[in-house]
Amino acid sequence: QVQLVESGGGVVQPGRSLRLSCAASGFTFTTYGIHWVRQAPGKGLEWVAAVLYDGSRKYYADSVKGRFTVSRDNLKNTLYLQMNSLSAEDTAVYYCAKDQMFKSISGLFDSWGQGILVSVSA
Amino acid sequence: EIVMAQSPATLSVSPGERATLSCWASQSVSSNLAWYQQKPGQAPRLLIYGASTRATGIPARFSGSGSGTDFTLTISSLQSEDSAFYYCHHYNNWPPEYTFGQGTKLEI
Repeated sequence: QVQLVESGGGVVQPGRSLRLSCAASGFTFTTYGIHWVRQAPGKGLEWVAAVLYDGSRKYYADSVKGRFTVSRDNLKNTLYLQMNSLSAEDTAVYYCAKDQMFKSISGLFDSWGQGILVSVSA
Repeated sequence: EIVMAQSPATLSVSPGERATLSCWASQSVSSNLAWYQQKPGQAPRLLIYGASTRATGIPARFSGSGSGTDFTLTISSLQSEDSAFYYCHHYNNWPPEYTFGQGTKLEI
């Protein structure tokens, strides 16, 4: 079955950087887009970024554009999120989520990782 | 940007009864509407997509309806395990800019 496992979270000071990873298994990673979705403590869900199945296209929410970079390594079946210039507003559980559409992006998330906490604090 | 709104914020229902959750879009999203269930400490789980199609493994007592701007998630014969947050979600728009409703907390 589909498995998505996030790692790399933790506590980081404002202005610093952090890189999250998402290891995928149980499906053909090279044919599906993958997203990052976050959830601030006690709040709702916010879509953050997406990358097409082959890494050729990347998309970002306005709130992270210019600071976050999504990428993927199809040889390692792994997704990444490089987060720079972090602020307290970026504190959240970050989920990676598989797109439902084959070789495209629909924004329908049919499988999710368990999430990883990023806490931005001095 | 399409804004999604949900009501009520909290719904308390007794076991065995039916719950009706509502979701509105600020403009038409056709049938590109999904519902997710999220239990405390867990990741969201896809329940419904295409406004009314149940995802794999979702019991028949979960049903969705609506199109355009008004949508409903109905859960019949409520069980204690249905206690969770429920989020509606607009997808399939271009450029990619995916938004969620603020969620409904369902208490059984």
